[in-house]
Amino acid sequence: QSALTQPASVSGSPGQSITISCTGTSSDVGGYNYVSWYQQHPGKAPKLMIYDVRNRPSGVSNRFSGSKSGNTASLTISGLQAEDEADYYCSSYRSSPPVVFGGGTKLTVL
Amino acid sequence: EVQLVQSGAEVKKPGESLKISCKGSGYSFSSYWIGWVRQMPGKGLEWMGIIYPGDSDTRYSPSFQGQVTISVDKSISTAYLQWSSLKASDTAMYYCARRDYNNYYFDYWGQGTLVTVSS
Repeated sequence: QSALTQPASVSGSPGQSITISCTGTSSDVGGYNYVSWYQQHPGKAPKLMIYDVRNRPSGVSNRFSGSKSGNTASLTISGLQAEDEADYYCSSYRSSPPVVFGGGTKLTVL
Repeated sequence: EVQLVQSGAEVKKPGESLKISCKGSGYSFSSYWIGWVRQMPGKGLEWMGIIYPGDSDTRYSPSFQGQVTISVDKSISTAYLQWSSLKASDTAMYYCARRDYNNYYFDYWGQGTLVTVSS
């Protein structure tokens, strides 16, 4: 199955804001409000950062926010910090298979 | 505290069988789906399949259907991922993760099990 489309890399300086896009189709991102975002540091397991498009789990900084427009979802990180440097993956419900991931985006904090 | 603890790293030869495990604790194991996610070296996440311990309802990604088997023993709060005949291309990190019944995101993840298949 085709993965959701994310930019391979994004970068930003400390304190700046960055946005990572996640493009799918009307069969996944555009059709359901079930987009989630995960952060993965090298050698670590993924961590849930955003679920159901825009909701933050308890303990996740409010510098992380999610949104969606049409078939594209976005993750915005404001007030960029060195610890935000990681890989980020989006995920969406799709009828078959039930979930599909994006290809991942490497965030570099300059 | 919710925890998913996976079995240790494995080194196998092509053609061998393997079963790795994921033990849940700190929550009602039977009431949450357990999914498996593959991450090949240097690559992204791939959703493999998911099982509901309450009734063993299992769903597979078409990419993994027939290639692996997902099972569960709810009496010991443990889910499994198994292969009957490993290939070199199965070399990857495998994560288990928990999903609430009516949601579509993984809120807790295991630490991962590295499987290396090499002759």
